[in-house]
Amino acid sequence: DAGVTQSPTHLIKTRGQQVTLRCSPISGHKSVSWYQQVLGQGPQFIFQYYEKEERGRGNFPDRFSARQFPNYSSELNVNALLLGDSALYLCASRISADTDTQYFGPGTRLTVL
Amino acid sequence: AQSVTQLDSQVPVFEEAPVELRCNYSSSVSVYLFWYVQYPNQGLQLLLKYLSGSTLVKGINGFEAEFNKSQTSFHLRKPSVHISDTAEYFCAVRSSGGYQKVTFGTGTKLQVIP
Repeated sequence: DAGVTQSPTHLIKTRGQQVTLRCSPISGHKSVSWYQQVLGQGPQFIFQYYEKEERGRGNFPDRFSARQFPNYSSELNVNALLLGDSALYLCASRISADTDTQYFGPGTRLTVL
Repeated sequence: AQSVTQLDSQVPVFEEAPVELRCNYSSSVSVYLFWYVQYPNQGLQLLLKYLSGSTLVKGINGFEAEFNKSQTSFHLRKPSVHISDTAEYFCAVRSSGGYQKVTFGTGTKLQVIP
């Protein structure tokens, strides 16, 4: 079975641009979470979605938004990119909103110049 | 609020030697605790988790961790490391109530020396 997939794997943008990252969860998983991992740090929670509803949001500005589609895939959007947005963006899926075990994708490496 | 402290940013250890990676947490409520491993250019993989019950938790690849409530610690151990264990290890905590916000530590890079 396929694991969590993310696209693209790498992305280069310039300041002020907008970016969309995509995530497909494991088949049968209905919840997706997004994390930002800045180089040298641990992942920081951005959003959790379950059944297309936002279930939780971390301490990120409104430039960050996300949505979940009927097939449970998800997109993370970041507007007005800043240099500090350069990071590895990780998506994790779990069977339901309350399941403790989450499975991570390989991430999208975003570089903002 | 919850937080995680991983005291060691890097731990070098010789192959076949034992290793302990330290993790301390802070939370005002009961917690669930996790250890994840991240190999270069990959996502995170769950090594083990503590939800309740026995304080000694066994995970994959021969790792184990012990939950110590009085010391608010959840140290990761392996009796004999292999070259393939070279990776970054993250401790994480989630409060037992509320939604699934998981807080990660800053990570410990384990370097196994041949």
